[in-house]
Amino acid sequence: DVKVTQSSRYLVKRTGEKVFLECVQDMDHENMFWYRQDPGLGLRLIYFSYDVKMKEKGDIPEGYSVSREKKERFSLILESASTNQTSMYLCASVLSGRPGELFFGEGSRLTVL
Amino acid sequence: QKEVEQNSGPLSVPEGAIASLNCTYSDRGSQSFFWYRQYSGKSPELIMSIYSNGDKEDGRFTAQLNKASQYVSLLIRDSQPSDSATYLCALGFQKLVFGTGTRLLVSP
Repeated sequence: DVKVTQSSRYLVKRTGEKVFLECVQDMDHENMFWYRQDPGLGLRLIYFSYDVKMKEKGDIPEGYSVSREKKERFSLILESASTNQTSMYLCASVLSGRPGELFFGEGSRLTVL
Repeated sequence: QKEVEQNSGPLSVPEGAIASLNCTYSDRGSQSFFWYRQYSGKSPELIMSIYSNGDKEDGRFTAQLNKASQYVSLLIRDSQPSDSATYLCALGFQKLVFGTGTRLLVSP
């Protein structure tokens, strides 16, 4: 089975702190994604990556950056956390030959105080 | 920007009934459509994909696509309490756009 692991299930941070959310997948998937999920707004794409060291902005990239130094790992970075970034963050991966068939991690619930 | 619209629900059906979940979309060029199920407190999981007009069946689930009318539906036959979840419609190719989901409640 594909496993997508997000390093932290629950985080509480203060405004202005730098936050790292880590995601690792074990199935050699080329494509990886970061979404955030908020009530009433659904899943919104923050950033995605088709290959190592490659990244593309999604629909809501402001306030976020990403890093993909290795194929299996995709990190989301909040340079200076703000309260409006309190959310559930979901990482996903997919084989490039099976687009749309995403495998999600368990999610990281971030609270920014 | 592709838009995907779903009724938030909840859609309440008795056990054994057919649950019908609907989704409309704005981008006429969309070719690939997906249904994800998300249990409360869990992450989404793919249950169906459909690419061509018509019906696609997988066990108790049937996905229906009508590109001319720009809607995609998910039918769940013989609904079970374990089907109670939020169902997310998504479309796209490499980059998916999700609807906000319909919450389904199946009562025993």
